[in-house]
Amino acid sequence: AQSVTQPDIHITVSEGASLELRCNYSYGATPYLFWYVQSPGQGLQLLLKYFSGDTLVQGIKGFEAEFKRSQSSFNLRKPSVHWSDAAEYFCAVRGTYFGNEKLTFGTGTRLTIIP
Amino acid sequence: ETGVTQTPRHLVMGMTNKKSLKCEQHLGHNAMYWYKQSAKKPLELMFVYSLEERVENNSVPSRFSPECPNSSHLFLHLHTLQPEDSALYLCASSQDFGTSATQETQYFGPGTRLLVL
Repeated sequence: AQSVTQPDIHITVSEGASLELRCNYSYGATPYLFWYVQSPGQGLQLLLKYFSGDTLVQGIKGFEAEFKRSQSSFNLRKPSVHWSDAAEYFCAVRGTYFGNEKLTFGTGTRLTIIP
Repeated sequence: ETGVTQTPRHLVMGMTNKKSLKCEQHLGHNAMYWYKQSAKKPLELMFVYSLEERVENNSVPSRFSPECPNSSHLFLHLHTLQPEDSALYLCASSQDFGTSATQETQYFGPGTRLLVL
C-alpha cells in the first residue's frame, strides 16, 4: 500500500517570498500524485496532478510541482506567495494497479503568510 | 450549478438523533466518495460508490450508513453517533473508480461540519 509524508506541519512565509512544501511518498512503482489546497471551512481544491511525462507540472494559482523519482518526492513550489495562499495543503498519492486505486493523503501543511 | 455540492454545511446533533448528509455532483461522474476529516489526522476514506454500487467500506462503524440512489447523489445517514464522530465530512466524485488505465481525478465538495453533543 502507498503512503505519503508531509514533514512540515506548519510553515510561515513572508508575502512575496518563495515557497516550497515537501511531500515524500512510498510506493512500489511510479504513482499518480496530487496536491490539493483547503481554505478554512472549505473543501479540497485540486492544485495540480502528475500522471506521467514531464516531471515538472504546472497548476492553478501559479503553483508548480516537480516529481523526482530518485527521491520519491513531489514538492510544491511557488515563486512569490500572496496573502490569499494562506491555507492547508495536502499531498496525495494514488496507486496505479487494480485494487490500489484509493487516494492516500498526507497529514497536511498549514501555510501562514505574514505581511 | 456546477461541481460537487453538500448540504447541510453545518450540523449539530445529539447522540440519539438521526440525520442525513447529502452530496450532489454535477460533473457526470460515475464514482462518489465519503471522507472524514478530523483535526490533526489525514483524510480517512469511508465509502466508495461506483455506478451506484458500494465498492469500498473502510471498516466504518454501522452508525454510518451510506446510500447512493443514482450516480449524481450520495447520502450519509447518521444515527446514534458519538462525540468522537465530530468532524468535517467531505464528499468527492471522479469519472470512474477501479480502472487503473483511467487517470481519474477526485473533485471535492465543501464539506459538512458535524458536531455531536
